[in-house]
Amino acid sequence: NAGVTQTPKFQVLKTGQSMTLQCAQDMNHEYMSWYRQDPGMGLRLIHYSVGAGITDQGEVPNGYNVSRSTTEDFPLRLLSAAPSQTSVYFCASSYKAQGINSPLHFGNGTRLTVT
Amino acid sequence: KQEVTQIPAALSVPEGENLVLNCSFTDSAIYNLQWFRQDPGKGLTSLLLIQSSQREQTSGRLNASLDKSSGRSTLYIAASQPGDSATYLCAVLNDYKLSFGAGTTVTVRA
Repeated sequence: NAGVTQTPKFQVLKTGQSMTLQCAQDMNHEYMSWYRQDPGMGLRLIHYSVGAGITDQGEVPNGYNVSRSTTEDFPLRLLSAAPSQTSVYFCASSYKAQGINSPLHFGNGTRLTVT
Repeated sequence: KQEVTQIPAALSVPEGENLVLNCSFTDSAIYNLQWFRQDPGKGLTSLLLIQSSQREQTSGRLNASLDKSSGRSTLYIAASQPGDSATYLCAVLNDYKLSFGAGTTVTVRA
């Protein structure tokens, strides 16, 4: 059981480049989400999805796009990378967005550096 | 906007001592509260989930309490071990959005 898989593990981009961070889960979870983690600031929600075809913005959505065409995949696109987007990105999923005993499962993260 | 605070930011204890980690939140209209553990360079692992209607949850040496009306949760870890050294984060769920505290970094000295 792979759980939540994120690729790549590490990425270096130049300012202005675009890229897609991949996230896939094999647990048939309805809810998927993206967070960024910066020192001293905890995790901040970027975008989330409560099911295939449905996405919404979190706390820090600017500069990022998402789509959810299948239950399994939830890619995060950086449109034009900026140094302020240097961070560790985590994808997480749960069976239901607000289900009883439905904890969040996290991937191992993507460490992104923008120069 | 939900604000989640964890105090202290860091804690160092000798092996065998009980750990008490605190979490407070500003909006009491939460659906649930979750405690996670994060090891360096790794993702987060769920430890305990407390529904808003519950007062506490227990798993092995871990016990988490929730006082929704006062906006507080406490994670107790009994008889700490060096393997408990990690960062512990709490998070609250409102309207499909999870808000995290910055975490408490715990060091258990052998």
